[in-house]
Amino acid sequence: GAVVSQHPSWVICKSGTSVKIECRSLDFQATTMFWYRQFPKQSLMLMATSNEGSKATYEQGVEKDKFLINHASLTLSTLTVTSAHPEDSSFYICSAPSTGAETQYFGPGTRLLVL
Amino acid sequence: GENVEQHPSTLSVQEGDSAVIKCTYSDSASNYFPWYKQELGKRPQLIIDIRSNVGEKKDQRIAVTLNKTAKHFSLHITETQPEDSAVYFCAASIGNDYKLSFGAGTTVTVRA
Repeated sequence: GAVVSQHPSWVICKSGTSVKIECRSLDFQATTMFWYRQFPKQSLMLMATSNEGSKATYEQGVEKDKFLINHASLTLSTLTVTSAHPEDSSFYICSAPSTGAETQYFGPGTRLLVL
Repeated sequence: GENVEQHPSTLSVQEGDSAVIKCTYSDSASNYFPWYKQELGKRPQLIIDIRSNVGEKKDQRIAVTLNKTAKHFSLHITETQPEDSAVYFCAASIGNDYKLSFGAGTTVTVRA
């Protein structure tokens, strides 16, 4: 199946700093990628849809100025958590649909801890 | 938007028995229903999916059924093994936007 990678796998930062997370589709092109957040023992909550060459679309309640998304190429989307605070600590996962199909493949996730 | 409900939240079964997880969805336009397995700290892995033009699909010990009229779909795992222990999520999407709405998840524990 298709492979999606994420970097970094985990990050610890101080409150107020910004953190960038990368999501890459390794063996296919993805004009669309999705960013999810998952708190412990909870489900995946869609944060935003990343669109190559255009602005991301955000789900209701997600601050677009806090969670900056850039889809720079057909294989790379980045999520920047700006001015991170402890409540932003979570597991961030990206996904991408395989070419021409609904099947989505998930990245390995990035665990963010804000102190 | 789409609302997906999943039951039960936890399920404990004896090794070798069957496990069944049920999901309902709210939007009749939903046409794609995947199931994901997630082990602790890892990514969700697609285990099976079904599209709205099919009523049932099977892959070895795993099967999914879909009832479009009732707007519910179920995951069936037969001959459960300890390695089936994980959290299972159902999801639904509409049309070509590929956005998935997830159920709350079911923690399955297979007792040896």
